[in-house]
Amino acid sequence: NAGVTQTPKFQVLKTGQSMTLQCAQDMNHNSMYWYRQDPGMGLRLIYYSASEGTTDKGEVPNGYNVSRLNKREFSLRLESAAPSQTSVYFCASSGSQAGQPQHFGDGTRLSIL
Amino acid sequence: QKEVEQDPGPLSVPEGAIVSLNCTYSNSAFQYFMWYRQYSRKGPELLMYTYSSGNKEDGRFTAQVDKSSKYISLFIRDSQPSDSATYLCAMSVGNEKLTFGTGTRLTIIP
Repeated sequence: NAGVTQTPKFQVLKTGQSMTLQCAQDMNHNSMYWYRQDPGMGLRLIYYSASEGTTDKGEVPNGYNVSRLNKREFSLRLESAAPSQTSVYFCASSGSQAGQPQHFGDGTRLSIL
Repeated sequence: QKEVEQDPGPLSVPEGAIVSLNCTYSNSAFQYFMWYRQYSRKGPELLMYTYSSGNKEDGRFTAQVDKSSKYISLFIRDSQPSDSATYLCAMSVGNEKLTFGTGTRLTIIP
């Protein structure tokens, strides 16, 4: 009954450090997503993957890279963290039929000092 | 102007009241409409999912879509303290992407 699992739940980094956020889903979904959520800004799409082997940029991709490792796993990497990347990061997944709702993990709270 | 507008609140109502939450949108191509509930320090949880116009009811929750007015609503009857959360509307034209409102923070006062 896990759904979408994100690790770690919390992380503090120093400016310039790198980090990979992990996401795994057990719902056999084709599509996976990474969002960031900031006060007053709502959820903003960073990258998404419509199927294994494909990735596309979302609304705010700068400073991030992603890897769709297999159908279950989709990771988000910060190569050189900046204070502006302090946020709560959510991973989501959905089926591939038109208009399918997305199912979210519980997030990673990331602070960049 | 944002594609989806949602009053951020906060909204406080007494227990047992009927709650009305709303979003307006500008893109007439939106066909799929969702409401998510997000508790503090948790991820958004799908609450209601509707296609095109009309009403959908699930227990104490009713989702309403008026495509002619580009307006969607979520009604909560007999509100409970456990309904205290942030409510996000979301919409899709039918591809992989969802467009979210910024969320309305709701508090139910016992």
